[in-house]
Amino acid sequence: NAGVTQTPKFQVLKTGQSMTLQCAQDMNHNSMYWYRQDPGMGLRLIYYSASEGTTDKGEVPNGYNVSRLNKREFSLRLESAAPSQTSVYFCASSATGTASYEQYFGPGTRLTVT
Amino acid sequence: GQQLNQSPQSMFIQEGEDVSMNCTSSSIFNTWLWYKQEPGEGPVLLIALYKAGELTSNGRLTAQFGITRKDSFLNISASIPSDVGIYFCAGRTSGTYKYIFGTGTRLKVLA
Repeated sequence: NAGVTQTPKFQVLKTGQSMTLQCAQDMNHNSMYWYRQDPGMGLRLIYYSASEGTTDKGEVPNGYNVSRLNKREFSLRLESAAPSQTSVYFCASSATGTASYEQYFGPGTRLTVT
Repeated sequence: GQQLNQSPQSMFIQEGEDVSMNCTSSSIFNTWLWYKQEPGEGPVLLIALYKAGELTSNGRLTAQFGITRKDSFLNISASIPSDVGIYFCAGRTSGTYKYIFGTGTRLKVLA
């Protein structure tokens, strides 16, 4: 049982390049989330998916797109990377719709945009 | 965007001391979560709280859901060097799947 997995672990992009961050969970959770973490800012929600087939914007969605590919997988795409998107990106999942709303995180992707 | 007020921002303590930290919000929450994050890792869930007044322990860690439902507290007893890390609180309001996170308490333990 791997929990939440993310790929890649590290990535360096040049301004204007695009890339997709991958996330998968094996806990049969309904909801999945993408956060970014910057120094002194805590975790900020980019997008979330309450259930398969739905996605919604979070606090900082500009410059990002997401795809909930199936119940297990939720990807985050940067279409044209900017230096302001240098950050650590975390995917998380939770079993919403039940008594438990516990949210579990992946190990993160460290992205640098030059 | 809205964030929780988490205090203190950082703590330097001696091994064996007890630690207390808290989070406060202007919103009423239905769920409080407490996480620990170590360098280069993702946050790890420590304790989940679901009812006002609830007190839950996980080893040397004890967390409480404030009776006003606008605050939560985390205590660590008899700290050890491996307690070092950043501790985050997160709160969820009724009717949403989204959590709001505090900015973290950075804990350093001096042996």
